[in-house]
Amino acid sequence: AQKITQTQPGMFVQEKEAVTLDCTYDTSDPSYGLFWYKQPSSGEMIFLIYQGSYDQQNATEGRYSLNFQKARKSANLVISASQLGDSAMYFCAMREGSTGNQFYFGTGTSLTVIP
Amino acid sequence: DTGVSQDPRHKITKRGQNVTFRCDPISEHNRLYWYRQTLGQGPEFLTYFQNEAQLEKSRLLSDRFSAERPKGSFSTLEIQRTEQGDSAMYLCASSFDRGVVTGELFFGEGSRLTVL
Repeated sequence: AQKITQTQPGMFVQEKEAVTLDCTYDTSDPSYGLFWYKQPSSGEMIFLIYQGSYDQQNATEGRYSLNFQKARKSANLVISASQLGDSAMYFCAMREGSTGNQFYFGTGTSLTVIP
Repeated sequence: DTGVSQDPRHKITKRGQNVTFRCDPISEHNRLYWYRQTLGQGPEFLTYFQNEAQLEKSRLLSDRFSAERPKGSFSTLEIQRTEQGDSAMYLCASSFDRGVVTGELFFGEGSRLTVL
């Protein structure tokens, strides 16, 4: 089974609007961390936001927030007030407490912001 | 610049040749990872080091692949007898392990390999 599933290969959003990128995960480990990364066309992976499995509140970092629904095993990324520079690939990743060496990545979602 | 740096950024080689990539992690980071990314896919784990010790290798890492991290500083990833299927972006990342699941990876810009 896939550890991380991103079901949206591509998404479009109007500039200044909000957009939600979906991510579901699969683990039986009670301790895990969830991460979102942005990969522009230049190729570098840029860390955006982190959510721990024991965190009570949803993580927020500026215009990024993580909608963490533990029972559903989902960790959707919400980008508010989209900007043209947000156009990029977005990857969801997970690190498990019991096997904390690896980060498991999804297949990514390509976001295009339309002016 | 104190980020993760990788060299070379691009490498074109003929099938059967050997190639070597270098990664310089963030200096205070004790963990170093190698990932491979092909077009349209997310990064796939290859191997990781804690200081100079290589602690885990993916089954994706065939015998033609070898990685080292002498003295726990920079790392090299060598691919021997390259095949066209090795064409990919090779990403290096580092992190500071605090013993919990926090500690995000900091990635370099990658080394793109094209095998003709």
